[in-house]
Amino acid sequence: AQSVSQHNHHVILSEAASLELGCNYSYGGTVNLFWYVQYPGQHLQLLLKYFSGDPLVKGIKGFEAEFIKSKFSFNLRKPSVQWSDTAEYFCAVNARGSQGNLIFGKGTKLSVKP
Amino acid sequence: DAGVIQSPRHEVTEMGQEVTLRCKPISGHNSLFWYRQTMMRGLELLIYFNNNVPIDDSGMPEDRFSAKMPNASFSTLKIQPSEPRDSAVYFCASSPRTGERSYNEQFFGPGTRLTVL
Repeated sequence: AQSVSQHNHHVILSEAASLELGCNYSYGGTVNLFWYVQYPGQHLQLLLKYFSGDPLVKGIKGFEAEFIKSKFSFNLRKPSVQWSDTAEYFCAVNARGSQGNLIFGKGTKLSVKP
Repeated sequence: DAGVIQSPRHEVTEMGQEVTLRCKPISGHNSLFWYRQTMMRGLELLIYFNNNVPIDDSGMPEDRFSAKMPNASFSTLKIQPSEPRDSAVYFCASSPRTGERSYNEQFFGPGTRLTVL
């Protein structure tokens, strides 16, 4: 069965610090990969996605993620965080060609101190 | 595009009452998902539909929960009778396509915050 691991439950950073959130998945086949963001009190919004091609994916608000197939990883990065990045971040995976179900990680809460 | 629409946005009810949550997916999307989010358990998939047909309801916690999708533009999640432990935010999401050439990006609604007293 597919699963997604997000190793950091809560990350606290100061503004301008660099961010890297880990995401590892378990599935041997071809996958689609996603990062969603949930700002306080809001719904989940897509941050970026990887389907194929360049393993370095750029998303909105300066975020990027790198797919490393050999490590089954899809880590999220941002070179300089802002207070407005305070949110919960969810990694998700879907087996290519499956019925459509996304498997979500448990989420990582990011708190950015001004 | 209006996005995924959910109603009500907030619901407060008493234990034992029936609760019905509603969802209108994005027009043209043929997959619909119901999730529950709590502090303790995080984001849980309850059930999902493809082309109005329930595909996997293994996440539905118990028989008190039921979901229907009578047509492509409407779905309901019903809890009868409701219990305090059902208090959570319930999200509906829709996805544009499934199958071999699908990419399965999901678009989430604003959620319904349910409080059962």
